[in-house]
Amino acid sequence: GQSLEQPSEVTAVEGAIVQINCTYQTSGFYGLSWYQQHDGGAPTFLSYNALDGLEETGRFSSFLSRSDSYGYLLLQELQMKDSASYFCAVRDQAYNTDKLIFGTGTRLQVFP
Amino acid sequence: DAGVIQSPRHEVTEMGQEVTLRCKPISGHNSLFWYRQTMMRGLELLIYFNNNVPIDDSGMPEDRFSAKMPNASFSTLKIQPSEPRDSAVYFCASSLSAWATQAETQYFGPGTRLLVL
Repeated sequence: GQSLEQPSEVTAVEGAIVQINCTYQTSGFYGLSWYQQHDGGAPTFLSYNALDGLEETGRFSSFLSRSDSYGYLLLQELQMKDSASYFCAVRDQAYNTDKLIFGTGTRLQVFP
Repeated sequence: DAGVIQSPRHEVTEMGQEVTLRCKPISGHNSLFWYRQTMMRGLELLIYFNNNVPIDDSGMPEDRFSAKMPNASFSTLKIQPSEPRDSAVYFCASSLSAWATQAETQYFGPGTRLLVL
């Protein structure tokens, strides 16, 4: 089966750097995605890593290590608006489909 | 593009009533997903369509739930009869098949907030 683990909550202050980790167990693996969801909003896509290494998009970066079944989302120069839940997700291999399995989410609270 | 469109945005109903949620995916997308989100259970995939065909409905809770996709631009999720435990936010998402693009991006609609009294 597929499973993903991520911390339930992370707190940080404005301007700081925070790392949200995700470990996964899959029978097969295509890549790791990250989604952001603000309270009352819908999940929105942030990034996708299919290969090992770091992908940078502005203040956000995502890292993947396939050998360690591990990835993280790095948020720099934190702003209040970054307070949200962050989900990692992997493609389900069981049915060879587009189905994504989402982690339980990490709630990030940014304080002034 | 208007993005994924869902209606209604909010629904309050009484136990036993039928509820129909609607979704219009992004034009050109060939995969459509229905999710349910609650505090207790997180984000759960209910059913997934590819090219209007249901591929995986293993997440549908029980026979009270049904989903259809009569064409590429419209899908419905129906709950009949509804129960208080069905109260949740229901999201529809669409994507261009990852097998075609090797991309993993799903685009979510704003959700329908359902409250069953």
